[in-house]
Amino acid sequence: GDQVEQSPSALSLHEGTGSALRCNFTTTMRAVQWFRKNSRGSLINLFYLASGTKENGRLKSAFDSKERYSTLHIRDAQLEDSGTYFCAPSSGSWQLIFGSGTQLTVMP
Amino acid sequence: GALVYQYPRRTICKSGTSMRMECQAVGFQATSVAWYRQSPQKTFELIALSTVNSAIKYEQNFTQEKFPISHPNLSFSSMTVLNAYLEDRGLYLCGARTPGGQGAEQFFGPGTRLTVL
Repeated sequence: GDQVEQSPSALSLHEGTGSALRCNFTTTMRAVQWFRKNSRGSLINLFYLASGTKENGRLKSAFDSKERYSTLHIRDAQLEDSGTYFCAPSSGSWQLIFGSGTQLTVMP
Repeated sequence: GALVYQYPRRTICKSGTSMRMECQAVGFQATSVAWYRQSPQKTFELIALSTVNSAIKYEQNFTQEKFPISHPNLSFSSMTVLNAYLEDRGLYLCGARTPGGQGAEQFFGPGTRLTVL
């Protein structure tokens, strides 16, 4: 929705490289989730953050409620990382507000 | 772990007919369930929030008359799309959450993809 700006909308990476996705929020958010939509259409939970940073393998996410943004860093990208990534913050109720998604393509 | 199943995964219905989809939480108690829709070329939008033993809250542009929801227990929810038309096509996701206060993590099923002919 309009409360969430996700960028970039599309990203191409060569295997072994890395980059970052970002979501900016127009209002204060209480928490954020990051998902990856796989080739079968399923939403895979990557991170849930109420503050600070979390790391899981080659992925790292940060959430700053005060500065109104969250990031997802990918390092050493692999082919299987390809897919659409969504951030989805929640503002206070547990309703998630989805970003528009980032289509990531990892190339050999 | 927390798993959410949705059935059917894909369905096709004729314009003006109705279609029911189901959501099953396994491994946790889904006290709250949210239904979302991703229409073609759009991101996910919330249809309604359902909490067991509470009234279902529908978002603007979505109504109980069009999308009746049942959430009879802590593991199951269903939603029907009544009188489906072309604009109702898309991927319908069920997101379930355990007790834990506001903003707790949600787990999603794989979705039901609805095609309307």
